[in-house]
Amino acid sequence: SQQGEEDPQALSIQEGENATMNCSYKTSINNLQWYRQNSGRGLVHLILIRSNEREKHSGRLRVTLDTSKKSSSLLITASRAADTASYFCATDGSGYSTLTFGKGTMLLVSP
Amino acid sequence: GAVVSQHPSRVICKSGTSVKIECRSLDFQATTMFWYRQFPKQSLMLMATSNEGSKATYEQGVEKDKFLINHASLTLSTLTVTSAHPEDSSFYICSSGRDLAKNIQYFGAGTRLSVL
Repeated sequence: SQQGEEDPQALSIQEGENATMNCSYKTSINNLQWYRQNSGRGLVHLILIRSNEREKHSGRLRVTLDTSKKSSSLLITASRAADTASYFCATDGSGYSTLTFGKGTMLLVSP
Repeated sequence: GAVVSQHPSRVICKSGTSVKIECRSLDFQATTMFWYRQFPKQSLMLMATSNEGSKATYEQGVEKDKFLINHASLTLSTLTVTSAHPEDSSFYICSSGRDLAKNIQYFGAGTRLSVL
């Protein structure tokens, strides 16, 4: 069953602007990950944040995690047209288990 | 990063035929692989967990006789859609993980199945 719910469902911005996507989940998690999917392609792992972490950075990506609110956000700074893709959060429970993906945010970055 | 190869990328078939999709881990041994189905503009739906040397674990509502999974080696899992019908048309994606502690998944490029 789907656990993550991203919002917004779609986001359209101009190059150079920042893009923020949010993810909410329902049950306790071990890790939360963000993946990117270009149209018609597989998913690519972007960043993982553990349940005991609150913020993590990777290049132009910044992820926050609030376990009390069961939510996470992905910020892409100084967006580029090449960032156009769908972005999914994925959670897993305690121990090794399957990932549960959210519905995704479709990001369109216009030149 | 780890590479997972999925083949074919696209297949068009007639109703009633069977289609086999392959998923290979190219630079690591994959004891477990996952098969997902994705409808247009929707999220990934886990269909089954493929375990090397044992039977696959199917998610609720997924017909195991319809979607046959074989994981005969540590680098190859196959999904066969048997007697395909138009409603089976979808995007199928496989994934596997190399680091159990992190549970980061590496995905194949997906297979677009169109059943006429």
